[in-house]
Amino acid sequence: GAVVSQHPSWVICKSGTSVKIECRSLDFQATTMFWYRQFPKQSLMLMATSNEGSKATYEQGVEKDKFLINHASLTLSTLTVTSAHPEDSSFYICSALGAGGGKTYNEQFFGPGTRLTVL
Amino acid sequence: SQQGEEDPQALSIQEGENATMNCSYKTSINNLQWYRQNSGRGLVHLILIRSNEREKHSGRLRVTLDTSKKSSSLLITASRAADTASYFCATDTGGYNKLIFGAGTRLAVHP
Repeated sequence: GAVVSQHPSWVICKSGTSVKIECRSLDFQATTMFWYRQFPKQSLMLMATSNEGSKATYEQGVEKDKFLINHASLTLSTLTVTSAHPEDSSFYICSALGAGGGKTYNEQFFGPGTRLTVL
Repeated sequence: SQQGEEDPQALSIQEGENATMNCSYKTSINNLQWYRQNSGRGLVHLILIRSNEREKHSGRLRVTLDTSKKSSSLLITASRAADTASYFCATDTGGYNKLIFGAGTRLAVHP
């Protein structure tokens, strides 16, 4: 149990376009989802925390108008990179906390990541 | 901002040897977790140690936590080539279950 998927696994887009990345919890209800960004050979940097049905909380330095997060259901959160530029090229990873099958999960379960390349 | 540092940044060993990675952090924590990441993939949760625990084992993994020194170590015994990956520590400081990741150690295990 506790599987998180992301779609797409990779995407290449032109500068100026918007890209949407989906994060789904497959077998549990994710009350909280987190979005991270990871540059090559670096660690994960938390971008934002989203709770189902409420606005996301962004970390300092992350532009909320550029990285739109929607957590409209207990199994889906989306990250939209608006007007993407080459410096937005990165590996985006989501994680989820929640409950399912009678269990409450205290650890975050991570998706496989989405590699975004902006040309 | 990153919570802490890990050392070494990179570690290269032979199969069968033990690998030790260290993590230091700056603020008080609820728990500390270790994750593994294969190149270009998502994270796999290895072990969680709570702030009131000093040592924890899981298979070939041994984690210690010294809250007075704000540090933790991950020991992988009898390493295998399949252990080649990046290893990250992450601290939960109690604020909304947010995790703050260390810089990571890239481990290479040679057959």
